[in-house]
Amino acid sequence: VQLVESGGGLVKPGGSLRLSCAASGFTFSNAWMSWVRQAPGKGLEWVGRIRTETQGGTADYAAPVKGRFTISRDDSKNTLYLQMNSLKSEDTAVYYCVTYDLGYFGFWGQGTLVTVSS
Amino acid sequence: QSALTQPPSASGSPGQSVTISCTGTSSDVGGYNHVSWYQQHPGRAPKLMIYEVSKRPSGVPDRFSGSKSGNTASLTVSGLQAEDEADYYCCSYAGNNLIFGGGTKLTVL
Repeated sequence: VQLVESGGGLVKPGGSLRLSCAASGFTFSNAWMSWVRQAPGKGLEWVGRIRTETQGGTADYAAPVKGRFTISRDDSKNTLYLQMNSLKSEDTAVYYCVTYDLGYFGFWGQGTLVTVSS
Repeated sequence: QSALTQPPSASGSPGQSVTISCTGTSSDVGGYNHVSWYQQHPGRAPKLMIYEVSKRPSGVPDRFSGSKSGNTASLTVSGLQAEDEADYYCCSYAGNNLIFGGGTKLTVL
């Protein structure tokens, strides 16, 4: 299993950014996927998860990001996305792409750093 | 929902056992058998160590074990080794939400 995130960088407050996660080594279309973030020097925080297309492809979000972040997937490209809008300084974190299964996160990417600062 | 409660630090000498607690509520830890534990070394991505309270993924040494009683889950590391020094995070399913603990820094003396 390999998960490779990309798209992180520096963005101004109120701005937008889209993260991508290229998946390989497993049947991506059969997997629920999730994003977990970690602010510098802090603990882990769940961002959201997305179901498989056969299970509706719908997503759930943590309260701090609901309405601002959108998780999507493209099974034809084995890619997971995180669209982040109206970014705030408190969204500064390393964002990890992870596989999700029955309440746990099995495989993790190496993470991509998002910095929200003026 | 609030983060699960973990002690900030724990320690033990090589060969000893150490237990890290993770306390939640009946809405998370106490309500589901979906507690997991993650190990994170500095600068690295977290790694799944325990899932569904007490199950070990392939490749995780049997020195690592998990349990739960009421609203508190525990991770026990037996026969401590130097490479076990890391941060450990618990996580619980809570309906349409996943909640992490604040993390415990395990030091091998």
